[in-house]
Amino acid sequence: TQLLEQSPQFLSIQEGENLTVYCNSSSVFSSLQWYRQEPGEGPVLLVTVVTGGEVKKLKRLTFQFGDARKDSSLHITAAQPGDTGLYLCAGVALGSGGYNKLIFGAGTRLAVHP
Amino acid sequence: NAGVTQTPKFRILKIGQSMTLQCTQDMNHNYMYWYRQDPGMGLKLIYYSVGAGITDKGEVPNGYNVSRSTTEDFPLRLELAAPSQTSVYFCASSYGPTQPQHFGDGTRLSIL
Repeated sequence: TQLLEQSPQFLSIQEGENLTVYCNSSSVFSSLQWYRQEPGEGPVLLVTVVTGGEVKKLKRLTFQFGDARKDSSLHITAAQPGDTGLYLCAGVALGSGGYNKLIFGAGTRLAVHP
Repeated sequence: NAGVTQTPKFRILKIGQSMTLQCTQDMNHNYMYWYRQDPGMGLKLIYYSVGAGITDKGEVPNGYNVSRSTTEDFPLRLELAAPSQTSVYFCASSYGPTQPQHFGDGTRLSIL
């Protein structure tokens, strides 16, 4: 069974601080996706990383895919209250029926206080 | 563009009742998914479909059934509701397994 472990589970910080969220697995993934979910809504895709070692930036968010494609990180610089939400990583895994599917980590709940 | 539409948004069931959660998408996506999200937790895959007529079990399929007779629709059936099925249910769709998933707004289900 392929599992994605996210850490930390909860993070409460002040506006302007930096933070890093981790997504780890013992399995290799062909790609990893990061989503952000706000209360009462469905998750929304932030980025997909595909190549080992790849780094992608989305304004103050930096995403990195591990060289071995088993882990990924999300770094937020100078966090803002608008960054508050649940951050989820997801990787492609093979289902029991032989079809590929996306599995999600448990998420990191971030609260940024003014 | 409607995207992924889920109905109903809220529902309260009694133990042992049955119901169908509806999901439809207008993006002509092949893949569709059903997830449940318990309070403060991530998403757990219940069932998914790779195209009309083809479904497969996810991580937590027990107590649920699905069908995919058309590309657009992917209903989730609860036959005998149990308190453990109290959760928020999300439907999603994508062109393929590695493509971005588009989510509906969720159905909040309480079983008392």
